[in-house]
Amino acid sequence: EPEVTQTPSHQVTQMGQEVILRCVPISNHLYFYWYRQILGQKVEFLVSFYNNEISEKSEIFDDQFSVERPDGSNFTLKIRSTKLEDSAMYFCASIRDYGYTFGSGTRLTVV
Amino acid sequence: QQQVKQSPQSLIVQKGGISIINCAYENTAFDYFPWYQQFPGKGPALLIAIRPDVSEKKEGRFTISFNKSAKQFSLHIMDSQPGDSATYFCAASWASGAGNMLTFGGGTRLMVKP
Repeated sequence: EPEVTQTPSHQVTQMGQEVILRCVPISNHLYFYWYRQILGQKVEFLVSFYNNEISEKSEIFDDQFSVERPDGSNFTLKIRSTKLEDSAMYFCASIRDYGYTFGSGTRLTVV
Repeated sequence: QQQVKQSPQSLIVQKGGISIINCAYENTAFDYFPWYQQFPGKGPALLIAIRPDVSEKKEGRFTISFNKSAKQFSLHIMDSQPGDSATYFCAASWASGAGNMLTFGGGTRLMVKP
């Protein structure tokens, strides 16, 4: 069964540093998403991406965040200057119609 | 109006019992209601989903009941097994531009005791 692949599985970074989280969505999917889940809390929408541009973003997705699909297969989330409160699991997802497929996530720890 | 409220936060059920998790929503524009199962260290995995034009959907031991007038939907897990122990999230979405943003409930941690 096709999978959404995320790397790395765990990233530790110092506060103020830039991080890039990487995702390879399912190849024939059209819409791409980033969600995050702070430990023990619900999954929250960050951003959706379609046709090489952001289609929706949440209040969480401020100027420190950016997304890119640099080469037609990878989908990246960049956090420019990490804060302690950015520590969370970050999930990439892709869909074709209504059925989301989530990756296993990247656990980001900001110290 | 964007919220999806889920209860209970945690649930303990004996093996063979029925697990029931409830969700309520406000936004009548929602038109797709999935349930996700999440094991520790993994991403949410789609379990079962329903559209508002039906009141019930069953897949194996999992059933969604949907009450459009009450804006509520629930997940029933029949013959619950220890392997069902996981966190369950309800969610809701609508066709918003390109693709559908999911709004998740707060999650229910289910433990099925052998």
